[in-house]
Amino acid sequence: EVQLVESGGGLVQPGGSLRLSCAASGFAFNNYAFSWVRQAPGKGLEWVSVISGSGGSTNYADSVKGRFTISRDNSKNTLYLHINSLRPEDTAVYYCARDPRGRFLELLSNFDYWGQGTLVAVSS
Amino acid sequence: QSGLTQPASLSGSPGQSISISCTGTSSDVGSYNLVSWYQQRPGKAPQLMIYEVSERPSGISNRFSGSKSGNTASLTISGLQAEDEADYYCCSYTRSTKTFLFGGGTKLTVL
Repeated sequence: EVQLVESGGGLVQPGGSLRLSCAASGFAFNNYAFSWVRQAPGKGLEWVSVISGSGGSTNYADSVKGRFTISRDNSKNTLYLHINSLRPEDTAVYYCARDPRGRFLELLSNFDYWGQGTLVAVSS
Repeated sequence: QSGLTQPASLSGSPGQSISISCTGTSSDVGSYNLVSWYQQRPGKAPQLMIYEVSERPSGISNRFSGSKSGNTASLTISGLQAEDEADYYCCSYTRSTKTFLFGGGTKLTVL
């Protein structure tokens, strides 16, 4: 059974940093690209970042470029999102999501499995 | 990166059919058949309902169907049921920029 479990969220002061994790199980982790998608309270979904199966290719939404870093450890079947210089507008539930089309960013398509999400709250 | 445009809300009665539109541009929705649709119930993670414009994942009811014309994609739900009440989001992947773009979401109410 495919499982994605996020962790690492919490209450952080503006300007602070956080590392989110997404532990995967039930499939060959390195065969898939992954994205982080966030949802501010009462708002819609916003794609944040994507990483290829090897971890060698990444991309970011303009709204987070330069502050967020996506990475993965295929030996631990874990995806990460490092968030720096946190702002109140970064407050959201952060989901990790798998793309079923494989490991290469050129071939991505959709998100077939999602984690349950982890809440990041930025406030003083 | 402006989002895709969806109606904020729609409603229908049980048994009716409704369609949710998702309008992008010739650079995203219009260029690739990589539109997907997600259902999200309150407090839950999104669930994939349609991928690559009109493909249905295993386990999804055939009451859900997708289509695209030009820069606008649509999700149609036929034979509306109470359990279909949820938020629905479209999403488009642009291979040239390697970015995903979501619509603002549509709140579907079953009367």
